[in-house]
Amino acid sequence: ETGVTQSPTHLIKTRGQQVTLRCSSQSGHNTVSWYQQALGQGPQFIFQYYREEENGRGNFPPRFSGLQFPNYSSELNVNALELDDSALYLCASSPPGLAGGTTQYFGPGTRLTVL
Amino acid sequence: QKEVEQNSGPLSVPEGAIASLNCTYSDRVSQSFFWYRQYSGKSPELIMSIYSNGDKEDGRFTAQLNKASQYVSLLIRDSQPSDSATYLCAVKQGTNAGKSTFGDGTTLTVKP
Repeated sequence: ETGVTQSPTHLIKTRGQQVTLRCSSQSGHNTVSWYQQALGQGPQFIFQYYREEENGRGNFPPRFSGLQFPNYSSELNVNALELDDSALYLCASSPPGLAGGTTQYFGPGTRLTVL
Repeated sequence: QKEVEQNSGPLSVPEGAIASLNCTYSDRVSQSFFWYRQYSGKSPELIMSIYSNGDKEDGRFTAQLNKASQYVSLLIRDSQPSDSATYLCAVKQGTNAGKSTFGDGTTLTVKP
């Protein structure tokens, strides 16, 4: 176990709805990254939060947004859900250090299904 | 062309053999390279990181990096059935592991 927790474990939504996924980082970690992993593919970087500010974003549309709280937990919000948003959403936290550290620890993920 | 490409797999080796996993990347300014193991239905787990050309050994695992050829590999010696998993290669421009670009993984099966 990495100490990174995510909720919920599974979620089923319909097209057009909105969803919020949550992540609690490992104690002492101030950087959180979010990834989307479609079936049979590697994780794709969505964005990263460092000290409550967005610190880099991958090739995802603005309907993917995030937030980091003072306790370094984080949320991923997705608006106007599309069928292709069905995936495993992974949160990873990194310890303080050189630009977020050289190690990231993944949570168990949230499996989102969009019908 | 994908930024990070791995052997399409699946790869099957007998128990005790050496498993060789390969990865190429397209961004020449990449500085940090990682290998993750992902068991079915689980999240990725970091097993090796490498930053300089050459070999880096950790137990039964050896990572090899050749920046001139834009190539990184992972060797698993004395493969065990518990090594059966998908292995993900990830690269990053800087040292911030949290913005890594991943390949699609190679699935390894170690047969008893």
